[in-house]
Order: sequence, then C-alpha cells, then structure tokens
Amino acid sequence: DTAVSQTPKYLVTQMGNDKSIKCEQNLGHDTMYWYKQDSKKFLKIMFSYNNKELIINETVPNRFSPKSPDKAHLNLHINSLELGDSAVYFCASSRTGGGNTIYFGEGSWLTVV
Amino acid sequence: RKEVEQDPGPFNVPEGATVAFNCTYSNSASQSFFWYRQDCRKEPKLLMSVYSSGNEDGRFTAQLNRASQYISLLIRDSKLSDSATYLCVVNGRDSSYKLIFGSGTRLLVRP
Repeated sequence: DTAVSQTPKYLVTQMGNDKSIKCEQNLGHDTMYWYKQDSKKFLKIMFSYNNKELIINETVPNRFSPKSPDKAHLNLHINSLELGDSAVYFCASSRTGGGNTIYFGEGSWLTVV
Repeated sequence: RKEVEQDPGPFNVPEGATVAFNCTYSNSASQSFFWYRQDCRKEPKLLMSVYSSGNEDGRFTAQLNRASQYISLLIRDSKLSDSATYLCVVNGRDSSYKLIFGSGTRLLVRP
C-alpha cells in the first residue's frame, strides 16, 4: 500500500494553462505539506495544513492554491502556469507537531513548455 | 546566510571507505534534526533522526553540536548502495512544523 500517493506523476503542459496535482495519505496523519524541488535540487516548503487548516504559507505566488477537503487529502491547483513553475512537487505528511518524520509521495514532475 | 548549509560534493569514495558529511544551521533555537536520503529521481526518505547525545544505526552515526550549530553524518564501510544525496534537515525559525532542508551532499561510492 502506498502511504502518500500523488497524481499525476508526470505532467507536461503549456504556459498559461491551469493544472492540479492531487495527494492522498493513508497513514492517519494530521499534517500534510507541499514541497517544491527545483532544478538545483533545493527542496522548499510551500504549504502545510494541519487538520484541514492552513498553518504554513510560504512566499508562494497566489497562482498556487492548496485545498484540503479532509485531513487525508491535500491538492495543489496552479493557475496560469509559467516556465519557472517547472519543478518536482512533493506531497508529504506527518503526525502533528514538529520533530516528526515526514513521509513523502513519489513526486509530480511538472514541465511547462 | 542560508538556514541550513551543506557541502554539495560530490564525495567520491571507494567501497569500504568511511565518509563524513557536515551540515551547519543558523537557528540556535532549532530542536529537531534529521538526515534524509534521496536517490536519483526519487522522493526523500528519513535516514535517521539526530539526538543531542549522538546516535548510531548500523553503519551510520549522527552527531549534533549545538554550541557550533552543526550536525554530522558518518558512514562506515561504504556500500555501492549508499550512493545517493544526503539531506540535512532542521526545524525552521518560526514554526516547529516547518522543516528546512539543506540542498544535499551527493555521495558516489565506486567499486
């Protein structure tokens, strides 16, 4: 059973399009995250939700909008895609509170052309 | 100054070698420290947590030096399968939920 699953794994799309990445975890965790890993392999947090409540919102363009319908799901919607949005987007989850292990999904490879 | 800094490497070592990585962090109030491992085109996975007194897991030893604000990872008897990028992770300045990842140190173990 996949603990943190995200879809799609690969996405190639044109500039200006709107796309969504879905994420689900079956670990019973209360906290979920979206991380972005760019071409330089630097992994940066974008958002974090705890029990469907947004608790971390880094300096991310408002074209990026997370949505958490329940604590097992955290989706990422991106409007008006730009070339610079090309990256790997990792969904992750953990138990509530700092210091807990974060479990990552396999990543979604987004390429904007 | 970056919140978490690592030497990007690559460290190129023969099988059986001992190799050590260091990582420095800027937030003196950080309480949680980890090493994650990321294989090429894969997701990061927890290698080990780092405790104040230092801890060992098989061939891997992690140390924390709070006074100097650095963390180390020692790998003994390197295996080919240890080839990967090792990410130093520290909880962030303004939220214990926020883990800050270093940019990683790449290890290549050759036959």
